Amino acid sequence: DAKTTQPNSMESNEEEPVHLPCNHSTISGTDYIHWYRQLPSQGPEYVIHGLTSNVNNRMASLAIAEDRKSSTLILHRATLRDAAVYYCIRYSSASKIIFGSGTRLSIRP
Amino acid sequence: GAVVSQHPSRVICKSGTSVKIECRSLDFQATTMFWYRQFPKQSLMLMATSNEGSKATYEQGVEKDKFLINHASLTLSTLTVTSAHPEDSSFYICSAGPGQREQYFGPGTRLTVT
Repeated sequence: DAKTTQPNSMESNEEEPVHLPCNHSTISGTDYIHWYRQLPSQGPEYVIHGLTSNVNNRMASLAIAEDRKSSTLILHRATLRDAAVYYCIRYSSASKIIFGSGTRLSIRP
Repeated sequence: GAVVSQHPSRVICKSGTSVKIECRSLDFQATTMFWYRQFPKQSLMLMATSNEGSKATYEQGVEKDKFLINHASLTLSTLTVTSAHPEDSSFYICSAGPGQREQYFGPGTRLTVT
């Protein structure tokens, strides 16, 4: 049971920001929120993670709701190489990652 | 970031034979590694947790006698698909992490059973 809910697919235009939502309404206080993405025929790639505060790195930003029941991955300026399946994951101290169905992001040139 | 490798990247084998897939953590030690299977257009499904020096823990519905896991060192875990059949054809991915909160995934191994 992945216990996260994401839209099946999203489309965006190249060079525009993309906001990928994730619902994790049953998250516990110690669960981290991790985002991975997977390109075709490759293993998942780490994108970003956070606990309570918003996070930024060179790939993306992660906005976490104050009640932690949802989060949004933000790609500030989408490129064609960002087309992938994005997975939002609750990561507990047991360190076992259970994948949900993810969001397939398409980028229009 | 940390690197996890898999070998081979793709393999074709005949039905009834066994295939071994290796997963290595290249720049860190991992007492725990994870094995996943992914069918086309589907998400990753966790198969088992590989524990260094002890038996693997299998997820419900995964046959431990068919998918043999060995984690003999802190940098290597192997998955052997025994008596492979065409329905075992899939993309097998491992992951490992230097700590409890980080996981890095291998590039995957495409298994085709003819």
